[in-house]
Amino acid sequence: DVKVTQSSRYLVKRTGEKVFLECVQDMDHENMFWYRQDPGLGLRLIYFSYDVKMKEKGDIPEGYSVSREKKERFSLILESASTNQTSMYLCASPPLLAGPDTQYFGPGTRLTVL
Amino acid sequence: SQKIEQNSEALNIQEGKTATLTCNYTNYSPAYLQWYRQDPGRGPVFLLLIRENEKEKRKERLKVTFDTTLKQSLFHITASQPADSATYLCALASGGSYIPTFGRGTSLIVHP
Repeated sequence: DVKVTQSSRYLVKRTGEKVFLECVQDMDHENMFWYRQDPGLGLRLIYFSYDVKMKEKGDIPEGYSVSREKKERFSLILESASTNQTSMYLCASPPLLAGPDTQYFGPGTRLTVL
Repeated sequence: SQKIEQNSEALNIQEGKTATLTCNYTNYSPAYLQWYRQDPGRGPVFLLLIRENEKEKRKERLKVTFDTTLKQSLFHITASQPADSATYLCALASGGSYIPTFGRGTSLIVHP
């Protein structure tokens, strides 16, 4: 019954490292999202993708990039990790944007940047 | 600017009572509103969606109302149980982009 998976539950990286967070969905959805969640700030949208090779910036794209080479996989890349990118990262995939009757989130990746 | 507000203070209630959580918004023309449950360290789990032209939606012990005049949604859990303790998030999507924006969530604690 697995629908959205993320490559790691916990990750510890050093400042300046390049970090890859992977998300895979098995529902053949076109839409995929990356959020980060911080205490007191809620979920904030980093990037989203409507289709393979398509990407759109969300509310806080600075310091991040994404890659969607295959429909089922959406990768978030931290080009040079910084301590202020320590956060919980959540991937999501709805079946439709215009009034989805459900929405699937992955389990999250708790990233710590030292 | 657009705002989604959920009570930042935890809601504490006794088992068996009805829990009511509030989501207020400003400067949105929402196409739909969603409610999620999130347990500590886990991803949110979708519960219910209500569209702009719907007033109320029910699913088992859950009920959501949507008042676009008051710009408010209420989320009710009837006959609450300790297992309902979690953080509940609301999210709105406007008709322009349909990308949901999330509130910060309200923590619900149900005491046995």
